[in-house]
Amino acid sequence: QSVLTQPPSMSGAPGQRVTISCTGSSSNIGAGFDVHWYQQLPETAPKLLIYGNNNRPSGVPDRFSGSKSGTSASLAISGLQGEDEADYYCQSYDNSLSGYVFGTGTKVTVL
Amino acid sequence: QITLKESGPTLVKPTQTLTLTCTFSGFSLSTSGVAVGWIRQPPGKALEWLALVYWDGDKRYRPSLKSRLTIIKDTSKNQVVLTMTNMDPVDTATYYCAHKHSAAGVFDYWGQGTLVTVSS
Repeated sequence: QSVLTQPPSMSGAPGQRVTISCTGSSSNIGAGFDVHWYQQLPETAPKLLIYGNNNRPSGVPDRFSGSKSGTSASLAISGLQGEDEADYYCQSYDNSLSGYVFGTGTKVTVL
Repeated sequence: QITLKESGPTLVKPTQTLTLTCTFSGFSLSTSGVAVGWIRQPPGKALEWLALVYWDGDKRYRPSLKSRLTIIKDTSKNQVVLTMTNMDPVDTATYYCAHKHSAAGVFDYWGQGTLVTVSS
C-alpha cells in the first residue's frame, strides 16, 4: 500500500486550474526528502513531470508547477488542456521503509 | 539519449521464478552515482518501487518483497536483471525499469514496461 496519499480523481474544464495534493508523513516528505511528480498517459509509461519539488525537466510546459510544505506537496496544472488528461503520481523517499515510495495516483479528467 | 527496454516472459505460472532484463543505452552503470531501478504497476493500480542497483554494486530492495527479489547488473552488457521468486497471481503487473538521477531520488527515464501475467 502507498504511504503517500493523493485524491483518486480530479476534473476541470479547459483553461481551469487543478491542484493535486500529495500527503505524506514525518518519515518521507516531512523528513525533508524531495517530491517528484510523474504523468502517465493512458497505456504508456510514466514520464517525469516535476523533480526536486518544483523543477521542470526540459520540454515540460510551465503550466505545470510543484510545491512542498511540511508533510505535503502539490502539483498545479494551470490552463488545463485536453492533453493533460492522465494519471499523476507523486514520489519521494521514506526512511522508515528505507525505500522509494509513490503516491496513490490521481486521475485528471478534462471536462 | 537515454533509453531503457524491459524484456522477459509475458506469462508465468504460480510458484515459478520471474526473470526480467532491462537493456539500456545512453549511460553507463559504472559511472559514479548512476542507478537503475525496477517499479511495477498492477492493472488499474498505483506504481510500486521494487529494487535498485547502484553503479558501485550496492543494492536496495522493497522491504516487504526483499526475500523474493534479486537485482544484478552486467555493466559490460548494459543490462540489469531482476528475479522474483515464488510468483503469485497478485504479482500480475506491468514491470518497468528506470534510470535514477545520480544526484536525486528521482526516476528520470523509464522503459516502456512489460506486462507479466501470473496464471496457471
